[in-house]
Amino acid sequence: GESVGLHLPTLSVQEGDNSIINCAYSNSASDYFIWYKQESGKGPQFIIDIRSNMDKRQGQRVTVLLNKTVKHLSLQIAATQPGDSAVYFCAESFQAGTALIFGKGTTLSVSS
Amino acid sequence: DGGITQSPKYLFRKEGQNVTLSCEQNLNHDAMYWYRQDPGQGLRLIYYSQIVNDFQKGDIAEGYSVSREKKESFPLTVTSAQKNPTAFYLCASSTRQGAVSYGYTFGSGTRLTVV
Repeated sequence: GESVGLHLPTLSVQEGDNSIINCAYSNSASDYFIWYKQESGKGPQFIIDIRSNMDKRQGQRVTVLLNKTVKHLSLQIAATQPGDSAVYFCAESFQAGTALIFGKGTTLSVSS
Repeated sequence: DGGITQSPKYLFRKEGQNVTLSCEQNLNHDAMYWYRQDPGQGLRLIYYSQIVNDFQKGDIAEGYSVSREKKESFPLTVTSAQKNPTAFYLCASSTRQGAVSYGYTFGSGTRLTVV
C-alpha cells in the first residue's frame, strides 16, 4: 500500500491498494478528532471520528489511528476504489460546540 | 430528512454590492459556523455562533457579517468591504452539550463569484 510519513498535499494510488493519509494536529488539549471527505464542488462529509481515550478505531474499509505522543492522526483506507478520490481533511476539537480546527487537506487520486 | 441547506448554490456579485448567503438547518443543532474555502486550500473560519443571538468572529471575519435570530438560521452577508470575496462558502452545524460525537454536518456550499 501507499503511505506517507509526513503530510503531503497529494497522494496517488492504484485501485485496490491501501492508502494512508497523515495529519499532524496542533492542540495538545484536543480530545476529539474527525476525518472528512470532500468531493469536488461539494461540502465535506464525515468519514470517521475518534476520541483521545482511544488509539484506533475502525469503520467500513477505514481505520483511524491516533498517536497523542507526537500529535499525529492517520486515516487508512483499505482496497482503495476510484470513488475514494477526493480531498481528505482531518479536524480536531477540544470542546463540544467550539469551532473545529482543520488540517490542510490531502488530495487522493485513485487510478484504475 | 434532517439536514443543512445552503442557498443559492451559485451566486454572482458585482463590485460594491452586498450579498447574503442563506444557511438553514433542521437538525436542532445549537452551534453553526461559516467557512471560506479557496481553490486548493483548507477551510478558514469566518464566524460561528453557539447560541441564538450570539456569535463570534473567526480568523477572517473582516468584510463579513452574520446574524443568529433563530436557532435554525445563520445567514452570512458578504459586504463590499470584503475585497476578495470570490470563494466557496461552507456552512456547518453541530450539537453543543453532552454529545458523544460533536463533529460538523456541512451544507453543500455556495460558490460566490465577483463579476
